[in-house]
Amino acid sequence: AQSVTQPDIHITVSEGASLELRCNYSYGATPYLFWYVQSPGQGLQLLLKYFSGDTLVQGIKGFEAEFKRSQSSFNLRKPSVHWSDAAEYFCAVVAYNNNDMRFGAGTRLTVKP
Amino acid sequence: DAGVIQSPRHEVTEMGQEVTLRCKPISGHDYLFWYRQTMMRGLELLIYFNNNVPIDDSGMPEDRFSAKMPNASFSTLKIQPSEPRDSAVYFCASRFSVGDTQYFGPGTRLTVL
Repeated sequence: AQSVTQPDIHITVSEGASLELRCNYSYGATPYLFWYVQSPGQGLQLLLKYFSGDTLVQGIKGFEAEFKRSQSSFNLRKPSVHWSDAAEYFCAVVAYNNNDMRFGAGTRLTVKP
Repeated sequence: DAGVIQSPRHEVTEMGQEVTLRCKPISGHDYLFWYRQTMMRGLELLIYFNNNVPIDDSGMPEDRFSAKMPNASFSTLKIQPSEPRDSAVYFCASRFSVGDTQYFGPGTRLTVL
């Protein structure tokens, strides 16, 4: 079965600095990959997704992610972080032929002024 | 569209009481998912439906939990009797088809005293 690992439980960056959140997946074929963001007390909002094609995908709020098959990674990036980006970020994977979406444990982002 | 709607947003109950959580998926979506989120276990898939039929309930913790989907626009998750360890945030999500974007509701925060 597919699985997702987010190695960083908590990351702190300064406002205006760049950001990269790591995500590694385990699956035999190319899965569907997602990044969601969850603000405190809120549900999960989709930032971006990768199904096929261009390995660099653009999402909302200035985020992007790059699918690297050789590294089984789907890292999330943002060139300049805003204070409002402070939240928890979840990477998720779905196998192309089933419906079981597996989530990573999440990475909590703190933004320093 | 109003998105996935869940009610109530917050529920506080006493151990042993019956709890019913409600979900209205996005119109036209064929799949509906129930998740539970806790600090210890993260996001766990409890059960999912396809065209109102339960497909996989292997994530349901025990017989105290049950879920129904009487029609395409309504689903319930029931806990009877509730226990303090059931305290968590319960999310409902829906999507159109396999591999499609999964949309989450705002969640129900359940506290069992």
